[in-house]
Amino acid sequence: AQSVTQPDIHITVSEGASLELRCNYSYGATPYLFWYVQSPGQGLQLLLKYFSGDTLVQGIKGFEAEFKRSQSSFNLRKPSVHWSDAAEYFCAVGHFTGGGNKLTFGTGTQLKVEL
Amino acid sequence: DAGVTQSPTHLIKTRGQQVTLRCSPKSGHDTVSWYQQALGQGPQFIFQYYEEEERQRGNFPDRFSGHQFPNYSSELNVNALLLGDSALYLCASSFGTDREEYFGPGTRLTVT
Repeated sequence: AQSVTQPDIHITVSEGASLELRCNYSYGATPYLFWYVQSPGQGLQLLLKYFSGDTLVQGIKGFEAEFKRSQSSFNLRKPSVHWSDAAEYFCAVGHFTGGGNKLTFGTGTQLKVEL
Repeated sequence: DAGVTQSPTHLIKTRGQQVTLRCSPKSGHDTVSWYQQALGQGPQFIFQYYEEEERQRGNFPDRFSGHQFPNYSSELNVNALLLGDSALYLCASSFGTDREEYFGPGTRLTVT
């Protein structure tokens, strides 16, 4: 069965500093990987996704992620964090079959941005 | 273009009661998935509906059931509520076999 591990429960960075959120997955085939962001009281917004091809993917709001098959990782990065980036971030792996699809999420990383 | 909408926003129920949550998918989408997000946790897949049938199900008891209507909207029903059912319930929609799901704002259910 697929699983996702986000080792960091909380991360605090200063505004303008760089950010890296870690994500490790377990999946038996080529994974479909996602990063979502959730602001307080809100649903999930898709930041970026990896299905195939270039292992460095660009997303919205200046985020990028790199797929590393050898490390089973899909870490999220941003070169300069803004105060509005404070939120909870979820990594997910998609399991897609002819019978449908489902996402398996990690437990999330809470990002705090210090001004 | 309306995104995924859910109702109600918040709900308080008593143990043993039954609850129905509603979801309207994004325009053009025909597939609806439901997720449960307990406090401090990531969302967990409950089930997915396509063409008015349950297509896939996660590890949730039969107390959790659903329905999809001809207009693709969906309901999630939970019977015999337990305190542990308190969570944010998220609905997501997609089109056909597209791998990108769009999430609604969720319904916050509190069971007392």
